[in-house]
Amino acid sequence: SQKIEQNSEALNIQEGKTATLTCNYTNYSPAYLQWYRQDPGRGPVFLLLIRENEKEKRKERLKVTFDTTLKQSLFHITASQPADSATYLCALGNQGGKLIFGQGTELSVKP
Amino acid sequence: GAVVSQHPSWVICKSGTSVKIECRSLDFQATTMFWYRQFPKQSLMLMATSNEGSKATYEQGVEKDKFLINHASLTLSTLTVTSAHPEDSSFYICSASHSQGANEQYFGPGTRLTVT
Repeated sequence: SQKIEQNSEALNIQEGKTATLTCNYTNYSPAYLQWYRQDPGRGPVFLLLIRENEKEKRKERLKVTFDTTLKQSLFHITASQPADSATYLCALGNQGGKLIFGQGTELSVKP
Repeated sequence: GAVVSQHPSWVICKSGTSVKIECRSLDFQATTMFWYRQFPKQSLMLMATSNEGSKATYEQGVEKDKFLINHASLTLSTLTVTSAHPEDSSFYICSASHSQGANEQYFGPGTRLTVT
């Protein structure tokens, strides 16, 4: 069955450093992959979408890579700030728009 | 742009009663809306997909007679939890997309349902 794995441990980094989050998947060939931010008790907030034929996407301090051979996506936040502290979700999508979510990685940025 | 609202934000109901949750796209027309459920410290699980004017498509294991979904307009979808039980207590989140297919989804703030 389809499986998505994100960094199981919480990620603690110092302000100003680059945070790198990992999303690995098996038994699936997604048409695209999305990254979301979720704060406690709130709905996810869309960050980036990258399609299967794209290698890299950037948006301000965010960068996502997508390697369909390795079945892996990396999500980077450069010059991290305490306000970036949240849970980050990876989601795989098919052509029909249906998303399958990973369990999320909790990021904590210390000042 | 792309704002999605949900109402209510939280609700407490007694076992056996029904609860309706509304999901609205405020500044765009949502051809497709999705309903998810999230238990504490767990991932979002898709319950159903609804397209305006047609019946919802439910995921395996989700009872369509228990979770009634109506997508009557391009800006409104409702989820009714019928005969709620304590095990239905969860965080229910909707999302909306501009069009069918592979596009970003915009999520509502979620509704916390507690069944006593």
